[in-house]
Amino acid sequence: GNSVTQMEGPVTLSEEAFLTINCTYTATGYPSLFWYVQYPGEGLQLLLKATKADDKGSNKGFEATYRKETTSFHLEKGSVQVSDSAVYFCALSTSNAGGTSYGKLTFGQGTILTVHP
Amino acid sequence: DAGITQSPRHKVTETGTPVTLRCHQTENHRYMYWYRQDPGHGLRLIHYSYGVKDTDKGEVSDGYSVSRSKTEDFLLTLESATSSQTSVYFCAISRGAGNTIYFGEGSWLTVV
Repeated sequence: GNSVTQMEGPVTLSEEAFLTINCTYTATGYPSLFWYVQYPGEGLQLLLKATKADDKGSNKGFEATYRKETTSFHLEKGSVQVSDSAVYFCALSTSNAGGTSYGKLTFGQGTILTVHP
Repeated sequence: DAGITQSPRHKVTETGTPVTLRCHQTENHRYMYWYRQDPGHGLRLIHYSYGVKDTDKGEVSDGYSVSRSKTEDFLLTLESATSSQTSVYFCAISRGAGNTIYFGEGSWLTVV
């Protein structure tokens, strides 16, 4: 079956530090990969996505590259801000034998990021 | 704002009582989902719907049922709530497979 493993948190950084949150996956077929962000008290928002190997997703200064050879999709940001404090989820979606996935997502456990001024 | 309204947003209920959570969307999206969020588990899919009256089970469906009689509404029912169902429940919608999935703001359920 499908699974997603994220690095253990919480992660605590100072403002302007470099961020990496590791994500690896196991999936049948060729998954699409996602990073979602959840701010306190809110639902999840799509941060970025990549749908095929070597694709790079990017948004708001965050980047992640779909690495098929290492089954990874690590999230990076060169200079974090206090406003980036949130929970980050790596997720994947695959198609079934009929070519449909219904968009079902498999999530990692989430990584709490706290950024201090 | 993705046009998703969950109700109730917060509920405390007793073990053994039935509970229904409602998800209402104004986007006319075909797919709707119910997830639960628990510490250390991320989000896990309970049930999903790919059209009116078309639903299927997710990975943690035991103890839950769903109904979708209209495009805009997707109901999640706990027939007899247990303490293990204390969680945050998120509704999500999508126009179709491969499209962005949008999440509601969550419903906090406590079973005592």
